[in-house]
Amino acid sequence: KAGVTQTPRYLIKTRGQQVTLSCSPISGHRSVSWYQQTPGQGLQFLFEYFSETQRNKGNFPGRFSGRQFSNSRSEMNVSTLELGDSALYLCASSLEGLRQYNEQFFGPGTRLTVL
Amino acid sequence: DQQVKQNSPSLSVQEGRISILNCDYTNSMFDYFLWYKKYPAEGPTFLISISSIKDKNEDGRFTVFLNKSAKHLSLHIVPSQPGDSAVYFCAASSQGGSEKLVFGKGTKLTVNP
Repeated sequence: KAGVTQTPRYLIKTRGQQVTLSCSPISGHRSVSWYQQTPGQGLQFLFEYFSETQRNKGNFPGRFSGRQFSNSRSEMNVSTLELGDSALYLCASSLEGLRQYNEQFFGPGTRLTVL
Repeated sequence: DQQVKQNSPSLSVQEGRISILNCDYTNSMFDYFLWYKKYPAEGPTFLISISSIKDKNEDGRFTVFLNKSAKHLSLHIVPSQPGDSAVYFCAASSQGGSEKLVFGKGTKLTVNP
């Protein structure tokens, strides 16, 4: 069974630009969560999508948005990039989401560098 | 306000000895706790979990202990192996409110041969 895949793996952007990251969950998984990992803050929850609906949201500004498609694939968008957005962005999928206490399976992440 | 804290950024142990990684939380609504292991350039991988109705869960060399009154959990690895060298994240969630995972900042474990 293929794991969670994320594309691209590495990305370099400049301030003010926007970026879209993609995540394909494990086949059959309906919940996709996004996390930002930085050295200073650790892993921070961005949002969770389940059946194409955003079900949970973390404490990030509106520049961070996402969506989920009918095949459960998810995209995350960051507009008006800032230097502080440089981070590893991780996507995780689970069968029904944490509501059922299913474990989350993480992808390898997308390393975003903002110059 | 950090709800899940891993106060030791790093830990070094000898192969064959016990590794003890600690985690404290402040939110009394948390009722499910997980440990993840992360190697460089990879996403975190699930290791072991524990529900608040238990105080211990064991899986092979890994045991998680939960002390609800102290709001403290620990991960014991016995015996430690060089392949266990990684960053370990403690995470927590609550069923009643948002189901998002709240992570600690991680502890880097180094197991020396």
